[in-house]
Amino acid sequence: DTEVTQTPKHLVMGMTNKKSLKCEQHMGHRAMYWYKQKAKKPPELMFVYSYEKLSINESVPSRFSPECPNSSLLNLHLHALQPEDSALYLCASSQQKPSGGNEKLFFGSGTQLSVL
Amino acid sequence: AQKITQTQPGMFVQEKEAVTLDCTYDTSDQSYGLFWYKQPSSGEMIFLIYQGSYDEQNATEGRYSLNFQKARKSANLVISASQLGDSAMYFCAMKPSGYSTLTFGKGTMLLVSP
Repeated sequence: DTEVTQTPKHLVMGMTNKKSLKCEQHMGHRAMYWYKQKAKKPPELMFVYSYEKLSINESVPSRFSPECPNSSLLNLHLHALQPEDSALYLCASSQQKPSGGNEKLFFGSGTQLSVL
Repeated sequence: AQKITQTQPGMFVQEKEAVTLDCTYDTSDQSYGLFWYKQPSSGEMIFLIYQGSYDEQNATEGRYSLNFQKARKSANLVISASQLGDSAMYFCAMKPSGYSTLTFGKGTMLLVSP
């Protein structure tokens, strides 16, 4: 089972709203990732968690706040977003250390976010 | 720094034919992994195939094979016997050991016609 589950699938929010994206995996993976993908572009890394600790923040604005409550769950809290933040947000997980060259990332189906 | 180049923005193929999607990469690292992902219009990034830089055999996964030419720094994806469901965006990616970042190419949109 190589399933990463993301909810919600679609989200529309205003610039003053607070919302959260949720990602869950039950593969026993210890590394989890958030990526942002604009239309017709490759995904861009936002955050990496390794063993439930934030190991990489790719200079993401503070209006995006990640959280890893346990090894199976990854959240992305959103607050005061801008219209240019509209994108597909993908969660991924991999088995152990993010720095392993052979670490295969398994992605969820994403949350399509629209900021009005 | 790592770089992935996919020179084919779009490819067309007829059902049941084979197709090759090109990927070249640039890295100064000796140990790295190469990956191909498929992204249908639904948005999910589906892992297809992996090749390690020290693997001597080309990777195969069902109808997918990776034509790995290390000296030329190329990692082309070959899809045999294309199916309508293969229509999607395909991304080549690489990840050196010691790095957490998966570097993606710009992608190739494959359309399979009946």
